[in-house]
Amino acid sequence: AQTVTQSQPEMSVQEAETVTLSCTYDTSESDYYLFWYKQPPSRQMILVIRQEAYKQQNATENRFSVNFQKAAKSFSLKISDSQLGDAAMYFCAYRHNTNAGKSTFGDGTTLTVKP
Amino acid sequence: NAGVTQTPKFQVLKTGQSMTLQCAQDMNHEYMSWYRQDPGMGLRLIHYSVGAGITDQGEVPNGYNVSRSTTEDFPLRLLSAAPSQTSVYFCASSYSGGTEETQYFGPGTRLLVL
Repeated sequence: AQTVTQSQPEMSVQEAETVTLSCTYDTSESDYYLFWYKQPPSRQMILVIRQEAYKQQNATENRFSVNFQKAAKSFSLKISDSQLGDAAMYFCAYRHNTNAGKSTFGDGTTLTVKP
Repeated sequence: NAGVTQTPKFQVLKTGQSMTLQCAQDMNHEYMSWYRQDPGMGLRLIHYSVGAGITDQGEVPNGYNVSRSTTEDFPLRLLSAAPSQTSVYFCASSYSGGTEETQYFGPGTRLLVL
C-alpha cells in the first residue's frame, strides 16, 4: 500500500519570506500523480499544484513550486513571497495513474504566516 | 456548474441511528470518492466508484455503505452510527485522461455522533 508522510506538523514563515514543506511517499509504481492541497479554516480542499511522475520538470504555479525527486520519493512544496492568505493546512497526496478516485493523503502541515 | 455539492453541512446523530450523506456532481466525472478527516489527520478513503454501478472499498470502509446508480450521485450510508464515526466527511469527483487531472472536493459534512 502507498503511504505519504509529512514530517512537519507545523511550520511558520514571515510574510514575504520563503518556506518549504516536506513530503515523502512510498510506492512501487512508476506512473502516478502527486498533489499539494491547501485547506484553509473553511475546510474547502483547494488544489495548489500537481506533478506527473513521468515529467522530469518540476511543476510551478505562480509563487508555488515543487522539488520532485523521484528516486528519493520526495515531493516538497516551496512557497515564495509568503502572504497572509497562505496560512492554512497543506496536504500532500499521491494517486496512481490508473485510478483517479483513490488518493492517499499525508497528515498535513499547518502553516502560519507572521506579519 | 455547481461542482461537487454535499448535504447536509452538519448533522448530529445518536449512537445506533442511521443516515445518508448526499453527494452530487454536475461535471460528468466518472470517478467519485468519499473520505473522512479526523482532527489532526489527513483524509482517509472510505469508498470510491469508477463509474455508475461500480464501487470499491477504500482504507476505512467498515460501518459505511455506498451505491452509485447514476453518474451524478454517490450517497454514503451510515448503517448504525458510532461515536468513532464523528468526523468531517468529504466527497470528491474526478476524471482520468485529461491535462488538468485532480480531484474536485465538496465543502464537507461535519458529523457528530453522541
